[in-house]
Amino acid sequence: DSGVTQTPKHLITATGQRVTLRCSPRSGDLSVYWYQQSLDQGLQFLIQYYNGEERAKGNILERFSAQQFPDLHSELNLSSLELGDSALYFCASSVGTGLARNEQFFGPGTRLTVL
Amino acid sequence: GIQVEQSPPDLILQEGANSTLRCNFSDSVNNLQWFHQNPWGQLINLFYIPSGTKQNGRLSATTVATERYSLLYISSSQTTDSGVYFCAKITYNNNDMRFGAGTRLTVKP
Repeated sequence: DSGVTQTPKHLITATGQRVTLRCSPRSGDLSVYWYQQSLDQGLQFLIQYYNGEERAKGNILERFSAQQFPDLHSELNLSSLELGDSALYFCASSVGTGLARNEQFFGPGTRLTVL
Repeated sequence: GIQVEQSPPDLILQEGANSTLRCNFSDSVNNLQWFHQNPWGQLINLFYIPSGTKQNGRLSATTVATERYSLLYISSSQTTDSGVYFCAKITYNNNDMRFGAGTRLTVKP
């Protein structure tokens, strides 16, 4: 158990809908990272927050947004969902700020299925 | 754009064998990381290694940044080593991370 929790574990929804994925980091970690893993695109880094502020941005679509709250949990919002958004969404957390030098601890993921 | 290529795509070993996984990247890196995803989907950060060699138990990694590659060595493999190994390159401005397609390792008892 990494100490990172993600809810829900599974989510099934329809095209055009909007969903929110939630992540709680390990106690003491200030950074949260979001990743998408799909058969087509592989593993992709989406976005990182550190102590409430966006720090790094990867291949995140404009239909997707994220935020980190004062209690350090994070939410990833996916809107106008398309079939191609079906994927496993991972959250990770770390103590420090940067992508490069911080060991990340991953949650179990949320599997999103768009029908 | 940033390219990260991993080889081989698949590898099947008998328990106890050694293996070398390779990661080539298209341009200079600020850092390179190796991850393991077990057969149940859990991801673990193995190494962050911009250059040089690091070891952790039976696993070690070497990055030669000037030649744009990194190697992950697994010695005396065990069935629990099975899964997919990813390398990821981090850009110099530290604001993006690109993954390779992974090497799927199967260790047979």
